[in-house]
Amino acid sequence: GAVVSQHPSWVICKSGTSVKIECRSLDFQATTMFWYRQFPKQSLMLMATSNEGSKATYEQGVEKDKFLINHASLTLSTLTVTSAHPEDSSFYICSARRSGGGETQYFGPGTRLLVL
Amino acid sequence: QKEVEQDPGPLSVPEGAIVSLNCTYSNSAFQYFMWYRQYSRKGPELLMYTYSSGNKEDGRFTAQVDKSSKYISLFIRDSQPSDSATYLCVIAEGGSEKLVFGKGTKLTVNP
Repeated sequence: GAVVSQHPSWVICKSGTSVKIECRSLDFQATTMFWYRQFPKQSLMLMATSNEGSKATYEQGVEKDKFLINHASLTLSTLTVTSAHPEDSSFYICSARRSGGGETQYFGPGTRLLVL
Repeated sequence: QKEVEQDPGPLSVPEGAIVSLNCTYSNSAFQYFMWYRQYSRKGPELLMYTYSSGNKEDGRFTAQVDKSSKYISLFIRDSQPSDSATYLCVIAEGGSEKLVFGKGTKLTVNP
């Protein structure tokens, strides 16, 4: 199998606080991980691509200082939403691509963030 | 023209029906074709993956790719209420890290 986990599954926080979301590939090594955001009834929007040991590549319009990504190992990537605001409330989903495994990405279960 | 166009649905069928989900794409450089299923408030789950024209079958699911027409389909036989979800067609260029997503088709299978 190719299992990807995310933690936490949901989080509620106050405006101005920072939230960290973890993404782990449980049974495979992932040189590349991806972070997506999904608003209700819309498809996934790629935020950034993260390669182990190097800086993340952000999509146009995504603030790198607001969405900090760390890919410290072949099985773990973290997304930190800094100084969160209500408009950051969304469903954040990570995915991982196997080392040498082609283009297929395996998605985590998602983290629902609600900023009050 | 968007890179991937997917029938928007929603689609509602009775249990046991054959379901056909369709997408077209515009870029002939796309070489990898995937279908993901996403249940409400969950991450997408990979259903089918193929890179050649023709049919690929897995249980009740058949993925069909026609590269000459730039058309991909997912067929679900003997549909079940548990198949109720949003289905995403997803394609990728060879050597590209990025996936291109269709908007998704919401399917409801009624008991």
